Amino acid sequence: DADVTQTPRNRITKTGKRIMLECSQTKGHDRMYWYRQDPGLGLRLIYYSFDVKDINKGEISDGYSVSRQAQAKFSLSLESAIPNQTALYFCATRADVNNEQFFGPGTRLTVL
Amino acid sequence: KQEVTQIPAALSVPEGENLVLNCSFTDSAIYNLQWFRQDPGKGLTSLLLIQSSQREQTSGRLNASLDKSSGRSTLYIAASQPGDSATYLCAVYNNAGNMLTFGGGTRLMVKP
Repeated sequence: DADVTQTPRNRITKTGKRIMLECSQTKGHDRMYWYRQDPGLGLRLIYYSFDVKDINKGEISDGYSVSRQAQAKFSLSLESAIPNQTALYFCATRADVNNEQFFGPGTRLTVL
Repeated sequence: KQEVTQIPAALSVPEGENLVLNCSFTDSAIYNLQWFRQDPGKGLTSLLLIQSSQREQTSGRLNASLDKSSGRSTLYIAASQPGDSATYLCAVYNNAGNMLTFGGGTRLMVKP
C-alpha cells in the first residue's frame, strides 16, 4: 500500500462549488504539505502543518483552507472553486530525521 | 526569496548516453537538496537527498552532487535508458523557513 494516499484522484466540478481533497499517510510523519502544480509554474506551496495544532499558510493560500484532523490526515478545501484553481494537487509528508519529502499520487482537479 | 532554476528545460538523447541535469539556487543557506522524478500525470518519486554538509549522493546509475557555495547541483545519469524518460525536479529546503522550493524541471526523453 502507498504511504501517502490522496482522494479523489480526479475531480471535475463547477465554479462556485465547495470541494474537499483528502490526504492520508502511514509514514508516521508529523509534517504534512499541500502543493499545486501548474504547467510552466512548477510546484507551489499552499499550506503546511507541523502537527494537529499547527497550520501555516504557504505562498498561495488565498482561496484555500485546510484541516488537520489527525497526525495521519490533512485535508484541503476550496470553499468556492474558480476555474484558475484547475491544477494538479499534491499532498506530501516530511521525515523528521532528514527532512526528506514524500509525495502522494496527486489529484487532478478541473473547475469548469 | 529562494529561486531555483533548472537547465535545460527539455533534453532528448539516444539510449546509452551519459547525461547531466543542472539545478541552480540563489540562496546558499539551504538545509538540503532533493531530486525527484515525475512521470506524466503522476506523483513525485524521491531519487536522491543531499544534506547541506554532503557533496554527493549515489543511487544505482544516478549521482547527484552539491556545491552549496556556488548554488549548484547536478544530477548525473549513466547509461540512460528509455525508462528514464520523465521530468526531473530539484528542490531545496531553506534553513530560514519551512518551505521546499522547486525548480521548473527538466523533461528528459531517452530514445531507443
